[in-house]
Amino acid sequence: DGGITQSPKYLFRKEGQNVTLSCEQNLNHDAMYWYRQDPGQGLRLIYYSQIVNDFQKGDIAEGYSVSREKKESFPLTVTSAQKNPTAFYLCASSIDGGTYEQYFGPGTRLTVT
Amino acid sequence: GENVEQHPSTLSVQEGDSAVIKCTYSDSASNYFPWYKQELGKGPQLIIDIRSNVGEKKDQRIAVTLNKTAKHFSLHITETQPEDSAVYFCAASRGGKSTFGDGTTLTVKP
Repeated sequence: DGGITQSPKYLFRKEGQNVTLSCEQNLNHDAMYWYRQDPGQGLRLIYYSQIVNDFQKGDIAEGYSVSREKKESFPLTVTSAQKNPTAFYLCASSIDGGTYEQYFGPGTRLTVT
Repeated sequence: GENVEQHPSTLSVQEGDSAVIKCTYSDSASNYFPWYKQELGKGPQLIIDIRSNVGEKKDQRIAVTLNKTAKHFSLHITETQPEDSAVYFCAASRGGKSTFGDGTTLTVKP
């Protein structure tokens, strides 16, 4: 089955710790995205990558970092510099960086206390 | 940057009635307008989309209309069913980057 996987589904961390969220796709898509979703709000773009070894900041990149060393993988690190990291994080991919449908993973709910 | 406003934030209808959700966008260069449905605890899933060179698109009970001049687009769901209950997001896209509305929680009462 083709799709996007995110792991883990739930993640708990203590304040001050960095944490990495996994995102893998086997759709052979060039573009990948990370969004943050807070209650009652839409999806806000953190980072996106249109091709391997290249990525751009989205609207709320501060306190986050990414890498894109392989086409199928786009991990997101939430650093201790992110002031309010507790949220639902969604990874998505699309065929390329053009205007196409985005396929979303099931999400990771991160709780930082 | 792009700004997308979505209304209403909540919508409750009786089964069989129609539901309409409206979005406005600010960037006239946006050229792709998808609608996503998100069920509780899951990632959003595309239900219908429209490109800027088309005014209307229909897929069974779901339709989307686009008014480029006024910079607004709408989702229409007819003959609503309880399984249509979910959060719906509109988005305006340009160059592979999408800006999402804040979502509409649709409840269909049996």
